[in-house]
Amino acid sequence: QLQLQESGPGLVKPSETLSLTCTVSGGSISSSNYYWGWIRQPPGKGLEWIGSISYSGSTSYNPSLKSRLTMSLDTSKNQFSLKISSVTAADTAVYYCARVHRVQLWDYFFDYWGQGTLATVSS
Amino acid sequence: QAVLTQPPSASGTPGQRVTISCSGSSSNIGSNYVYWYQQLPGTAPKLLIYRNNYRPSGVPDRFSGSKSGTSASLAISGLRSEDEADYYCAAWDDSLSGRYVFGTGTKVTVL
Repeated sequence: QLQLQESGPGLVKPSETLSLTCTVSGGSISSSNYYWGWIRQPPGKGLEWIGSISYSGSTSYNPSLKSRLTMSLDTSKNQFSLKISSVTAADTAVYYCARVHRVQLWDYFFDYWGQGTLATVSS
Repeated sequence: QAVLTQPPSASGTPGQRVTISCSGSSSNIGSNYVYWYQQLPGTAPKLLIYRNNYRPSGVPDRFSGSKSGTSASLAISGLRSEDEADYYCAAWDDSLSGRYVFGTGTKVTVL
């Protein structure tokens, strides 16, 4: 059974960089059948797509966040990571990592999710 | 910045049928598949419906999805107390160089 687990600092100062890692077990992130993505949810609000990265390292980012995002893979550790630079209070959210099932561009969905981790931006 | 619109709430008594709408546009629902996610209180979202109307293994057939034009719907028949959750529709959107968009979310309450 595939499992995903987010990790990272729970508190980040404004203007700094938020760094999160997702550790995958029960499957390989190098599989060509899947991509790996991030979604966030501000407290009491809805879901927002952040972006995803393919097994080969190609990325798709939310245009509204693109200038501040970096996603990467570490196949040796079976992990993928997210960095958001120049954070503000608006970046405070529960961050979820998930596996992306993407057969075609229009056939894109998250079929396995991590439990989520709360990242708070505050001085 | 959600571009898919859902009613904020829906409710029903046990055994009833509840329907949730999801309104989009030609750049998302009108040209791509629709997906539905269920988020139980305090937990991560879970895939409920994929490719408009398919259920992943383990999802009861009480849940069904449909799509027509630029709108989609999720129906829950035989409503149960454990169905009380937030429900989100989603789709790939072809605008702005492409992005995945979620609906605004609907809170389903079992009375």
